[in-house]
Amino acid sequence: DVVMTQSPLSLPVTLGQPASISCRSSQNLVYSDGNTYLNWFHQRPGQSPRRLIYKVSNRDSGVPDRFSGSGSGTDFTLKISRVEAEDVGVYFCMQGAHGPFTFGGGTKVEIK
Amino acid sequence: QVQLVESGGGLVRPGGSLRLSCAASGFTFTDYYMTWIRQAPGKGPEWISYISPSSNFISYADSVKGRFTISRDNAKNSLYLQMNRLRAEDTAVYYCTREPRLMGYWGQGTLVTVSS
Repeated sequence: DVVMTQSPLSLPVTLGQPASISCRSSQNLVYSDGNTYLNWFHQRPGQSPRRLIYKVSNRDSGVPDRFSGSGSGTDFTLKISRVEAEDVGVYFCMQGAHGPFTFGGGTKVEIK
Repeated sequence: QVQLVESGGGLVRPGGSLRLSCAASGFTFTDYYMTWIRQAPGKGPEWISYISPSSNFISYADSVKGRFTISRDNAKNSLYLQMNRLRAEDTAVYYCTREPRLMGYWGQGTLVTVSS
């Protein structure tokens, strides 16, 4: 199975400051169709996960442009340019390139 | 708009069975693979199964293989998960999602608690 390793586990941030989350996979995430299936999700307490970014760097509809995704191969990053209060919660990366599809352990973002 | 509504969760004893349903709307159900994900309390999500539009491709996580069965009824725009021989470690919120490689849409989830 592909292991997804996120860091840090916890990320205290100051409002208005940038934040960055790393996600590393144990295998290259390029699928046979040429796409790299690395997605990012945000989950608030008591809510379902919501996808923010798909295929490394594509922002979902309605996601603020302060969120951006980058990376390739086995090394990926989610960046928030200026953290807002509504950004608190847990962020997960997920790979859809190799079955079984797997998630990272999560990064909890909280306001300092 | 895309909507996925899960139902069927509840409290069940170890060794028991439960059938979950997911009602889909707002998109052409027969165009998409569908998948079940679960999330145990305080843990990250775990993919458990997917099914192709015509039900001819099905896959399961090792943790549920031989105990859970995924199915769909395209006439009713519905996805199902039959769960047998339930264990305490199956306790989780169960979500249905669209497109297993992308998981762009999730339902609100249904809670399954396995306890004596």
